[in-house]
Amino acid sequence: AQKITQTQPGMFVQEKEAVTLDCTYDTSDPSYGLFWYKQPSSGEMIFLIYQGSYDQQNATEGRYSLNFQKARKSANLVISASQLGDSAMYFCAGAHGGATNKLIFGTGTLLAVQP
Amino acid sequence: EAGVAQSPRYKIIEKRQSVAFWCNPISGHATLYWYQQILGQGPKLLIQFQNNGVVDDSQLPKDRFSAERLKGVDSTLKIQPAKLEDSAVYLCASSLNSGQYFGPGTRLTVL
Repeated sequence: AQKITQTQPGMFVQEKEAVTLDCTYDTSDPSYGLFWYKQPSSGEMIFLIYQGSYDQQNATEGRYSLNFQKARKSANLVISASQLGDSAMYFCAGAHGGATNKLIFGTGTLLAVQP
Repeated sequence: EAGVAQSPRYKIIEKRQSVAFWCNPISGHATLYWYQQILGQGPKLLIQFQNNGVVDDSQLPKDRFSAERLKGVDSTLKIQPAKLEDSAVYLCASSLNSGQYFGPGTRLTVL
């Protein structure tokens, strides 16, 4: 069975600082995809970044980067230069075999960016 | 490019009533998903379609939930009869090759 663990229920960060949101996954499947989503208070799930287990380099999308450490089974999200609009719930999710398979979500981390 | 559309955005019903949700995926996306997100939790997959065929419905409570995607585009999710514990946000998502893109969701309250 696969499981996604997010151990930080809530995080604070000062505006313009970088923040790391932790995520670990538990699966024996060598072909696995990790995703991060942002869910503001309005409720929509916004896709941020994707990392495949066979990708050689860590994924980056603008201010978001994924610190993927296969041996530790971790896929931490790094947000650089935090903005007030980054305040939201962040979910890590995993999928067996590829990006179109069902997502298993973690419990989320609530990020608050302080001015 | 238009995103995933869902309607209605909000619905309030009494227990034992029926309700239906509609989803229109991103154009060209063959895979469509329905997730249920209970307050304070991450979303949980209810059903996954590939075109008009069901790929995974292992967590769909089939005694009361049903879903269809007859022409491989739009999809409807129905609950009949609703229970109090069905109160949640129902999220539709679609995917082509990488990344699942979510709609705004339908917030269901069962009284």
